[in-house]
Amino acid sequence: EVQLVESGGGLVQPGGSLRLSCAASGFTFSTYGLHWVRQPPGKGLEWVSYISTGITSIYYSDSVKGRFTTSRDNAKNSLYLQMNSLRDEDTAVYYCARDLRPSNIIAVAGILPSWGQGTLVTVSS
Amino acid sequence: EIVMTQSPATLSVSPGERATLSCRASQSVTTNLAWYQQKPGQAPRLLIYGSSTRATGIPARFSGSGSGTEFTLTISSLQSEDFAVYYCQQYNNWPPLTFGGGTKVEI
Repeated sequence: EVQLVESGGGLVQPGGSLRLSCAASGFTFSTYGLHWVRQPPGKGLEWVSYISTGITSIYYSDSVKGRFTTSRDNAKNSLYLQMNSLRDEDTAVYYCARDLRPSNIIAVAGILPSWGQGTLVTVSS
Repeated sequence: EIVMTQSPATLSVSPGERATLSCRASQSVTTNLAWYQQKPGQAPRLLIYGSSTRATGIPARFSGSGSGTEFTLTISSLQSEDFAVYYCQQYNNWPPLTFGGGTKVEI
């Protein structure tokens, strides 16, 4: 069974930093692209970032580009999101999600059948 | 960036009735369109991808159709567990992946 478990959320002041982790199990981690998607309280879903299998491609939404950094450790089956210069509008539940098909090709990526339970990040003074 | 627009924002339906949800893309996404269901306090659940392919374990009462810029999710006979928020998402031209604003299906 595919499992994704996020951790690292919490309360942080504006301008602060936080590092989220996503621990994966139940599949061959190194062969799947992974995404971060967030959801502000009471609002819709917003894609944040993608990282390919071999870390050859990393993409970000414009709203987080230059502030957030996505990485993965295939030896530890883990995905990370380093969030710096946090703003009030970054307050959200952050989900990690896995692509449907094992591939390093973006053309077959972007379908998200597996999600973690999410971790809440609150940016407030 | 491709903008996804869902309608209606809220759909009031009785159990056993048919529900039809719409999603429009600001430019063609061919059939690279997915639908997700989300219940309160839970992560989204993939229902449909490729506009019309049901994901693993999804009941046959869920069906998707459309191509280009107009898409529909139909729930043929609403069950109590189907009351939730539904999102469409395009993966044809990304980054960024983009989601619609959601349709809440309520009793």
